[in-house]
Amino acid sequence: DTAVSQTPKYLVTQMGNDKSIKCEQNLGHDTMYWYKQDSKKFLKIMFSYNNKELIINETVPNRFSPKSPDKAHLNLHINSLELGDSAVYFCASSLGTSGMRVETQYFGPGTRLLVL
Amino acid sequence: GENVEQHPSTLSVQEGDSAVIKCTYSDSASNYFPWYKQELGKGPQLIIDIRSNVGEKKDQRIAVTLNKTAKHFSLHITETQPEDSAVYFCAACSEGNNNDMRFGAGTRLTVKP
Repeated sequence: DTAVSQTPKYLVTQMGNDKSIKCEQNLGHDTMYWYKQDSKKFLKIMFSYNNKELIINETVPNRFSPKSPDKAHLNLHINSLELGDSAVYFCASSLGTSGMRVETQYFGPGTRLLVL
Repeated sequence: GENVEQHPSTLSVQEGDSAVIKCTYSDSASNYFPWYKQELGKGPQLIIDIRSNVGEKKDQRIAVTLNKTAKHFSLHITETQPEDSAVYFCAACSEGNNNDMRFGAGTRLTVKP
């Protein structure tokens, strides 16, 4: 009964390849997020979607494209992978952003991406 | 935008001692302050959070204090145990900001048995 799940857990690939990371939440939340955690453990938001609509898009290279087929899924596709993309990517979800109240974010287990 | 600073970056305590981690934030509109614990190889897990309408919140051995005037908040862990060893993150967020949460850089806590 995992709340926020991600696949794969580990991803090792060559520079220049295209890869996808999948995220699913069964909490009934409306909002989902992608974060990048670098080697120094710093957590930085990349994107967020509310009910399949993009609402936060930080300064992220165009090679990163999120896709939300429905509000329970937010996948991250990365084109032309570079060495600097190596990091841990976390998906998260929260109840929603339509109201004024800030809602707690719940994180997935992470996907460890290594680009060789 | 919001900027959250967290100190110390590493903290080592003896089992049974208390641990305190401090964060400051820059955006006076921030009114939600969660704390996350990240164990090795896992995702961040919420351990406690506080909203700006209260100054302190406690949950067993964990407490969080908030000083809105000074724009800082702290995590207090009492009677530390080896299983408290992890990286702890503070974060800040304001209402009407699309839940755009900004995290501190993390504190690696080691509890020595």
